[in-house]
Amino acid sequence: QSVLTQPPSVSAAPGQKVTISCSGSSSNIGDYFVSWYQQLPGTAPKRLIYDDNKRPSGIPDRFSGSKSGTSATLGITGLQTGDEADYYCATWDGTVSAGVFGGGTKLTVL
Amino acid sequence: QVQLVQSGSELQKPGASVKVSCKASGYSFTAHSINWLRQAPGQGLEWMGWITTGTGNPTYAQGFTGRFVFSLDTSISTAYLQIDSLKAEDTAVYYCTRDLTTINFDLWGQGTLVTVSS
Repeated sequence: QSVLTQPPSVSAAPGQKVTISCSGSSSNIGDYFVSWYQQLPGTAPKRLIYDDNKRPSGIPDRFSGSKSGTSATLGITGLQTGDEADYYCATWDGTVSAGVFGGGTKLTVL
Repeated sequence: QVQLVQSGSELQKPGASVKVSCKASGYSFTAHSINWLRQAPGQGLEWMGWITTGTGNPTYAQGFTGRFVFSLDTSISTAYLQIDSLKAEDTAVYYCTRDLTTINFDLWGQGTLVTVSS
């Protein structure tokens, strides 16, 4: 049971847009920055978003992050088959004094 | 080239110990903490804790105290994860990551698969 709640799966057609939600509480998302990671099959995760909505250099602007209250959202536009991956949100939790992750969301590009 | 390179896969018997290495290159090793994460087969990412590379002070998440030890050799820019008294449920891929701020993992090792089986 993950501290942060993500939908297990989402899907959309190539070229479409998808959003992945990450729900937490005031002790984690509500108080700390959120980061997002993409894990392609058989590879190490890669950072997509940090500090809620910042993109590292090299990450296309098709990827965006936002946060409102105790929930965060990852948006991906112009979906490509290469975007098929597992996506994880993460942040710090001040109550348990630990890093916490969502359970992950599998994106399928139909 | 800025990177973290981990040691290779391990197959160990229950009760044995394993030590995974994570060698940093291309940046000042003591500038950022190293975090360790676990991913059991078919499961999500789990934060194990971190080690402050400037002081060597480790912090362990709940569930990773006792048998898990983080250490450093700053002379060779390498972090280590040792797991003692291995159990079958320790079978997982273990990742080391560089943390720029707090839970902001910009650099990842390639992962080390540890398999515990008799």
